[in-house]
Amino acid sequence: QKEVEQNSGPLSVPEGAIASLNCTYSDRGSQSFFWYRQYSGKSPELIMSIYSNGDKEDGRFTAQLNKASQYVSLLIRDSQPSDSATYLCAVNPSGGSYIPTFGRGTSLIVHP
Amino acid sequence: GAVVSQHPSRVICKSGTSVKIECRSLDFQATTMFWYRQFPKKSLMLMATSNEGSKATYEQGVEKDKFLINHASLTLSTLTVTSAHPEDSSFYICSAAPSSNQPQHFGDGTRLSIL
Repeated sequence: QKEVEQNSGPLSVPEGAIASLNCTYSDRGSQSFFWYRQYSGKSPELIMSIYSNGDKEDGRFTAQLNKASQYVSLLIRDSQPSDSATYLCAVNPSGGSYIPTFGRGTSLIVHP
Repeated sequence: GAVVSQHPSRVICKSGTSVKIECRSLDFQATTMFWYRQFPKKSLMLMATSNEGSKATYEQGVEKDKFLINHASLTLSTLTVTSAHPEDSSFYICSAAPSSNQPQHFGDGTRLSIL
């Protein structure tokens, strides 16, 4: 069973702080990793993709991947109340399968 | 970027009605699409994998005769909830990706309410 683990939270941070969201995965051969944001009552929206070890930055978002530790994280700098949502980690398994594995999501609350 | 369109966005109907939900990939071809269900404040639950030109693959516990999936073209998959009952009320979401190493893109979801 290929698994993706996330702390369900909620993670509460003050406005302007850095929010750090973490995800671990069990399939060591995984090559593709994604972060989605899901607002309440809406469908998930892709915010970051990362494929190689290291950091990838896009605006206020930074994804970090460490394949040796089977760990992927998302940092949100200068957090805003509008960032309050559930963040889903997704991993595409090895072997060319189309079926992604999603974590259960971490709820982030950014308070003014 | 890859766009997935889902229709309708909301359905309210009487118990016993069958409801069809469409999922289209607008700017890419998708041999595989996925259907999810999500209850309030709960995680996404994969219901089935829709395969173009062949039968869908259903997850354990999902009734294939209840949730009919058709993927007749490379850009369209449909989910039909047959003889819907109040317990089928949920948020149904589809997703697709241009290739196996690319991210899934989600439709906007369909909120189904059975009275």
